[in-house]
Amino acid sequence: EDQVTQSPEALRLQEGESSSLNCSYTVSGLRGLFWYRQDPGKGPEFLFTLYSAGEEKEKERLKATLTKKESFLHITAPKPEDSATYLCAVRNGATNKLIFGTGTLLAVQP
Amino acid sequence: DAGVTQSPTHLIKTRGQQVTLRCSPKSGHDTVSWYQQALGQGPQFIFQYYEEEERQRGNFPDRFSGHQFPNYSSELNVNALLLGDSALYLCASSTTGNSGNTIYFGEGSWLTVV
Repeated sequence: EDQVTQSPEALRLQEGESSSLNCSYTVSGLRGLFWYRQDPGKGPEFLFTLYSAGEEKEKERLKATLTKKESFLHITAPKPEDSATYLCAVRNGATNKLIFGTGTLLAVQP
Repeated sequence: DAGVTQSPTHLIKTRGQQVTLRCSPKSGHDTVSWYQQALGQGPQFIFQYYEEEERQRGNFPDRFSGHQFPNYSSELNVNALLLGDSALYLCASSTTGNSGNTIYFGEGSWLTVV
């Protein structure tokens, strides 16, 4: 069964304190691992798609990496505006469905 | 370039009523998927429309139905509403049967069932 597990559930950082979020997955025929940012009451905002182990992508203070079993979202020197829920999802290669984790709620304090 | 647009943004319905939610995909996208997101949870896949047909379906009852129009826009219909249907309903758009590199979401429709 396809499954995505994100950890930690919540993370509180001081401004400038770097950290990583984890996304562990099992999926039939991975056809992309997706990272999204979601602000309260809003729809998910697309960040990255990763396809193969060893792939990395960066956007401002965020860097996403992928292995065969998990993905990490590294946040370097975060700012309060990085506070949000970060969602990870995998796409099943046979059905093209996205399966989401429950997210990591990140709070960055000034 | 307009992104994914959804309407209405908020609505309140009574148990047993029916609701229709609407979605216009991002320009150039032809595939629409619908998701239900309960508070504190990740989005759950409801179904996907491509070429005006339902292509994939998640574990949702037949009370949930949909439609895709020739201009690629889509509707989600929920009949016989239950309190448990209260959630954020998200529309996602992509290309070619959801095989594209990017999948964009709208801001969602908040449904409250009382």
